Amino acid sequence: KAGVTQTPRYLIKTRGQQVTLSCSPISGHRSVSWYQQTPGQGLQFLFEYFSETQRNKGNFPGRFSGRQFSNSRSEMNVSTLELGDSALYLCASSTSGTGDNEQFFGPGTRLTVL
Amino acid sequence: GENVEQHPSTLSVQEGDSAVIKCTYSDSASNYFPWYKQELGKRPQLIIDIRSNVGEKKDQRIAVTLNKTAKHFSLHITETQPEDSAVYFCAANNYGQNFVFGPGTRLSVLP
Repeated sequence: KAGVTQTPRYLIKTRGQQVTLSCSPISGHRSVSWYQQTPGQGLQFLFEYFSETQRNKGNFPGRFSGRQFSNSRSEMNVSTLELGDSALYLCASSTSGTGDNEQFFGPGTRLTVL
Repeated sequence: GENVEQHPSTLSVQEGDSAVIKCTYSDSASNYFPWYKQELGKRPQLIIDIRSNVGEKKDQRIAVTLNKTAKHFSLHITETQPEDSAVYFCAANNYGQNFVFGPGTRLSVLP
């Protein structure tokens, strides 16, 4: 099976702009989670989508939003970018079936905000 | 909500020695505990996991132990090699809930 893919891999934006990141999960996986990774902050959970519905949400401002499509692909949007939004954004997918919740990561999108 | 602590934050060992990383969790409902290895510039990779109905699991040089009563689990790497150098993350999860990750441990294996 193909792994989790993310596009684009790199992005450079300026403050105030908005950005959309895309994640394609492993075939058959219905859950997609998004994380922000910054040096020294580890993996901070943004939100999780399962069957097109946001199932869990982390402690990020409303500028961060997402959605999931019927084919389980997910997008994350960040509006009004701030310098502090510069980070590696990782998505991870899982089947999320009972007793089968192994989660696999994509390569990430590195966002730089100037 | 769930909170996961991880120690130590950095660990240096000589090649061939063993390395142990410990994590504690707060939510007794968590029932799945994976470990991820992240090499520089790469994605986190699942290396081993354990479920709450098992006390220990081993895969070649890597093992994980779980103490549900104390709510802690540990990663053990034996006969360390330079390619084991990476950042290791533990996590805790309960079905339907989000994964909560520890802050990570930077392991350096010195030749």
